[in-house]
Amino acid sequence: DQQVKQNSPSLSVQEGRISILNCDYTNSMFDYFLWYKKYPAEGPTFLISISSIKDKNEDGRFTVFLNKSAKHLSLHIVPSQPGDSAVYFCAASASSNYKLTFGKGTLLTVNP
Amino acid sequence: DAGVIQSPRHEVTEMGQEVTLRCKLISGHNSLFWYRQTMMRGLELLIYFNNNVPIDDSGMPEDRFSAKMPNASFSTLKIQPSEPRDSAVYFCASRAGQVQGKAFFGQGTRLTVV
Repeated sequence: DQQVKQNSPSLSVQEGRISILNCDYTNSMFDYFLWYKKYPAEGPTFLISISSIKDKNEDGRFTVFLNKSAKHLSLHIVPSQPGDSAVYFCAASASSNYKLTFGKGTLLTVNP
Repeated sequence: DAGVIQSPRHEVTEMGQEVTLRCKLISGHNSLFWYRQTMMRGLELLIYFNNNVPIDDSGMPEDRFSAKMPNASFSTLKIQPSEPRDSAVYFCASRAGQVQGKAFFGQGTRLTVV
């Protein structure tokens, strides 16, 4: 049973435009969400997180939105740059539990 | 700090051989995760340690897999005997604290069992 789902395996965007990566979750106990970025032959690196007490968190070009009623979160990258091309993983955890559960990832390609 | 350090980066071994993957945590971190990444299943949690104690090993595929934390800064994941279906990228990640918070990943070990 996949508790964190990233339904788009890939996304292609033009440089300078907005990239929107989506993530859905099923476990209502999840209250902390993270996005990781992964380049080939490297480990995932933390990008941005959001607690369930917020609906938005922004860090430079990256903004994460959380819709608790829909059990949906999204990562917006504006403007997109070729260096943003990577696999993006959504992850979730519950404050009552130590586990970090990951989605399968979305490959973002930003074309110059 | 150099971050989470994994060794080796690549390992090619023959079926039936023992394989040992190594991980050095970030200083001061007390939680450790071992994950396995495959195309089919994505990032799967294998085992979680807190303060050197294995808390949850329900993700370990079978008895051929074992993990240890002999001290607060080091962990090993052993596969014995290895099988071709164990081929994957294995990551360890460390975190300060037990709940929530971001985990920091090593660069991974790409294991190929032929």
